[in-house]
Amino acid sequence: DAKTTQPTSMDCAEGRAANLPCNHSTISGNEYVYWYRQIHSQGPQYIIHGLKNNETNEMASLIITEDRKSSTLILPHATLRDTAVYYCIPRAGSYQLTFGKGTKLSVIP
Amino acid sequence: DTGVSQDPRHKITKRGQNVTFRCDPISEHNRLYWYRQTLGQGPEFLTYFQNEAQLEKSRLLSDRFSAERPKGSFSTLEIQRTEQGDSAMYLCASSSSLTGLTEAFFGQGTRLTVV
Repeated sequence: DAKTTQPTSMDCAEGRAANLPCNHSTISGNEYVYWYRQIHSQGPQYIIHGLKNNETNEMASLIITEDRKSSTLILPHATLRDTAVYYCIPRAGSYQLTFGKGTKLSVIP
Repeated sequence: DTGVSQDPRHKITKRGQNVTFRCDPISEHNRLYWYRQTLGQGPEFLTYFQNEAQLEKSRLLSDRFSAERPKGSFSTLEIQRTEQGDSAMYLCASSSSLTGLTEAFFGQGTRLTVV
């Protein structure tokens, strides 16, 4: 699986968009980019995934650069409940998810 | 759909004791995974079942760790002769290969403290 680089931490004002970057420059052509988040003392929660097209669901949008070397998860209107650690995970359909340390997002009132 | 359920939520045990954790996956999910998470780290994959078959167990941390899924439904993770280094959150996840829903859904975990 490709290596990822994410900021250790980020702050975002409540109600503003949270843009979480991820670098995955060694991603291979068959690897999707998955995003999970983990709220304190809970298990990880699936957010979204994509291959090369931008994706949107009810939780977030995923923007993947054309060269697929990086992506950005966008939470359009962050709330206090979005405070969590966010993980970017390249995955080629294998059975396991390889988590890094993720980005700790703090949403500030 | 009640989600992935894990029991117990918390376990305190003395060093050297055996412990067993249970995971009940989402009912229509045929794949089940166990992960371990230590403080400040992301979850670490341990083992994987498809139905009742354990297809990957090389990542189990030592021969003190074992997992079963006897009827392809619930699963158990056992740690024998616990050590203080086994203190961690143990997470279970499930997913389906049948409906194309490959995202894994996690339970809330069992927090193990070895004293």
